[in-house]
Amino acid sequence: SQTIHQWPATLVQPVGSPLSLECTVEGTSNPNLYWYRQAAGRGLQLLFYSVGIGQISSEVPQNLSASRPQDRQFILSSKKLLLSDSGFYLCAWSGGGDGYEQYFGPGTRLTVT
Amino acid sequence: GDSVTQMEGPVTLSEEAFLTINCTYTATGYPSLFWYVQYPGEGLQLLLKATKADDKGSNKGFEATYRKETTSFHLEKGSVQVSDSAVYFCALSGGGGSYIPTFGRGTSLIVHP
Repeated sequence: SQTIHQWPATLVQPVGSPLSLECTVEGTSNPNLYWYRQAAGRGLQLLFYSVGIGQISSEVPQNLSASRPQDRQFILSSKKLLLSDSGFYLCAWSGGGDGYEQYFGPGTRLTVT
Repeated sequence: GDSVTQMEGPVTLSEEAFLTINCTYTATGYPSLFWYVQYPGEGLQLLLKATKADDKGSNKGFEATYRKETTSFHLEKGSVQVSDSAVYFCALSGGGGSYIPTFGRGTSLIVHP
């Protein structure tokens, strides 16, 4: 069966510090991968998606970037965090099969202080 | 572009009450429709889906029917429990060939004993 991991689970970082969030998927190959951000009490904002190694599409211009160094690994990064980067970050994958349903990781709660 | 509209929350019910959360959509082509559930502090989980008109998705006592004529996918449950308290997201993907999902803003459900 497929599983998706995210770490860390929680993170408190000062403004201006770098960021690296990691997501890995097991039990499937060539998944579509996604990074979302969810601000407190609000909906999902798609940040990046990837259809293959090294292929990244950005949905929102900002100080975040994403990389996919391996087929089942997706990394979200920033060189300098802003207060507005605080939120709940979710990684998801889809297999492109029947209906393209997504499967989400447990999330990372990021607080920028 | 595609869009999903959900009823504003929170929806507050007593245990064993009937639940309806409305969802309507605008999309090109023939998308697949989904309901996801997010429990506090967790990622989203796929609750149910329907891939073509008149399909009924069901899971854990929840049901939703793909109504193409009214472009709706309302979520229903006959008797809610306290454990159903969560945020529910309606979503679509696959319309016009795009696998990138479109999510509604989410509806918070609070069930009191």
